[in-house]
Amino acid sequence: GAGVSQSPSNKVTEKGKDVELRCDPISGHTALYWYRQSLGQGLEFLIYFQGNSAPDKSGLPSDRFSAERTGGSVSTLTIQRTQQEDSAVYLCASSLYGGGNTGELFFGEGSRLTVL
Amino acid sequence: SQQGEEDPQALSIQEGENATMNCSYKTSINNLQWYRQNSGRGLVHLILIRSNEREKHSGRLRVTLDTSKKSSSLLITASRAADTASYFCATFGVNGNKLVFGAGTILRVKS
Repeated sequence: GAGVSQSPSNKVTEKGKDVELRCDPISGHTALYWYRQSLGQGLEFLIYFQGNSAPDKSGLPSDRFSAERTGGSVSTLTIQRTQQEDSAVYLCASSLYGGGNTGELFFGEGSRLTVL
Repeated sequence: SQQGEEDPQALSIQEGENATMNCSYKTSINNLQWYRQNSGRGLVHLILIRSNEREKHSGRLRVTLDTSKKSSSLLITASRAADTASYFCATFGVNGNKLVFGAGTILRVKS
């Protein structure tokens, strides 16, 4: 597609349920990033993919969070046993290159997660 | 943890005035980028300045970088109501592999 696509755009779930958030990056972009933004806050880095591997997953808050990327394209962020503090907007971004050549990031519109 | 810190946290100006936002960071960088966000959704890239550059222009935007002070500024000239948004600086560290964002400046331009 023309831009980074994320789904769902909004997700309301009950505490304790699992959720999956999907990101479809710009075709040909090798690097993919997940960030989290709580209300009125800046962006918190979660994980970075270069191709299908994740050289940096240092930002994942706990072992309830996991992510994968398949075929060097679509990525899924999974949150198990959701907690109320997981409520946030989850933003995905992609860039043509990663690592030392990282330039502009292209962001999706985000998935707003609300945990009741 | 956030690398950059923007100053001020919020800025309110009249249409036609200039808006200046500042960003400070802590570690050596490869490049520094500015992004804009409307209504808490996706971010849009505005400008990238590399560590060996001191100033860059794009339309009504002017960005400066002072690596000795580890700081950058974003100037928006002749502001418009449509410039109302949150503005974030983000740094790519020399030994890093990700952009690290600051907390942002909320800009409100009154018409």
